[in-house]
Amino acid sequence: SQQGEEDPQALSIQEGENATMNCSYKTSINNLQWYRQNSGRGLVHLILIRSNEREKHSGRLRVTLDTSKKSSSLLITASRAADTASYFCATPQETSGSRLTFGEGTQLTVNP
Amino acid sequence: DGGITQSPKYLFRKEGQNVTLSCEQNLNHDAMYWYRQDPGQGLRLIYYSQIVNDFQKGDIAEGYSVSREKKESFPLTVTSAQKNPTAFYLCASSAFTGTIEKLFFGSGTQLSVL
Repeated sequence: SQQGEEDPQALSIQEGENATMNCSYKTSINNLQWYRQNSGRGLVHLILIRSNEREKHSGRLRVTLDTSKKSSSLLITASRAADTASYFCATPQETSGSRLTFGEGTQLTVNP
Repeated sequence: DGGITQSPKYLFRKEGQNVTLSCEQNLNHDAMYWYRQDPGQGLRLIYYSQIVNDFQKGDIAEGYSVSREKKESFPLTVTSAQKNPTAFYLCASSAFTGTIEKLFFGSGTQLSVL
């Protein structure tokens, strides 16, 4: 079963608006990572948040982690058409941290 | 430039044929991974290797085989036993063999069945 599950599955917004994507997971984690995938391309690592952190920023990205609710959110502020992509959360497996489990992703479309 | 190179970008398989997807990295990473991605879905782990001449099965290893004879290379063979091979295949690497903190991905190979 998927460790990470993203919500919503698809999101369509206008340029300049903020986009929020959520991820839920089931087991204890050491860290949670967010990746971006442009259509037909490989994934690119965006940001990592550790289990003892509650919030982290990187440019226009803001990630939060609530370990009590086993959930994380990714906020992209002032979105641009170039942000159009799929976004995935990923967590190391509890039994083997050397394996990452990915959610099914959120497809973000930013309309110009 | 350092990175991961996957080839070919597109591959077609005939029924009963084995095909091999190439993955090469020049990042000097110890760990390498193969993932399968079906349309509109997340990634599922096929095989991974943390050291030369050793590899472990992932969640969907049936119908696939790998080798790790060199640190830089981790080819994936899709055998005729894999009855539904059409998918996007992604190779990745990681600098650490402990808890993963970042994966680097290649640009993928789209495999289709003729």
